[in-house]
Amino acid sequence: KAGVTQTPRYLIKTRGQQVTLSCSPISGHRSVSWYQQTPGQGLQFLFEYFSETQRNKGNFPGRFSGRQFSNSRSEMNVSTLELGDSALYLCASSLADHPHSYEQYFGPGTRLTVT
Amino acid sequence: QKEVEQNSGPLSVPEGAIASLNCTYSDRGSQSFFWYRQYSGKSPELIMFIYSNGDKEDGRFTAQLNKASQYVSLLIRDSQPSDSATYLCAVNPRGSTLGRLYFGRGTQLTVWP
Repeated sequence: KAGVTQTPRYLIKTRGQQVTLSCSPISGHRSVSWYQQTPGQGLQFLFEYFSETQRNKGNFPGRFSGRQFSNSRSEMNVSTLELGDSALYLCASSLADHPHSYEQYFGPGTRLTVT
Repeated sequence: QKEVEQNSGPLSVPEGAIASLNCTYSDRGSQSFFWYRQYSGKSPELIMFIYSNGDKEDGRFTAQLNKASQYVSLLIRDSQPSDSATYLCAVNPRGSTLGRLYFGRGTQLTVWP
């Protein structure tokens, strides 16, 4: 079974621009979670989507948003980019059909650099 | 504040030894516990998960959970140089949806030949 895929893998943007990242979960997985990883803060939760609904959101400003489509694919968007948004953005999917089936599997990530 | 604490290391062990990685968490009602391995420049890879008190073994890996002490550990037996990576502990606390994990900062492990 194919793993989680993320596109693009690398991205360079300028301050003030916006960016959209895409994530395709493992086939059959209904939950998609997004994380930001930086050397200073480690892995931090952004949000989770299940059946096209955002179920939980981390402590990030409103510039960070996301959505999920009916096929479980998900996108996240960051508007008005700041230098501090430079990070590895990770998407993780899980089956989520039972309380003990929330093991999350990560994609390869999108490395975003803001200049 | 839901905190997950790990020794940052680095932890250095010789090939063939047992590597012991430790993690404590602050939310007593936490339900699910995960260990991820992350190689430099790569994304985290799930290697173990545990939900009940006690030990869970998978090949060379053993996860140990003690909810009373709010402590979870990972033992790697017969350590190999290929085990050299950063190991991340992740916890799903009570009150969160199950899709939200809190991560420790990771322990860097080096296995030398």
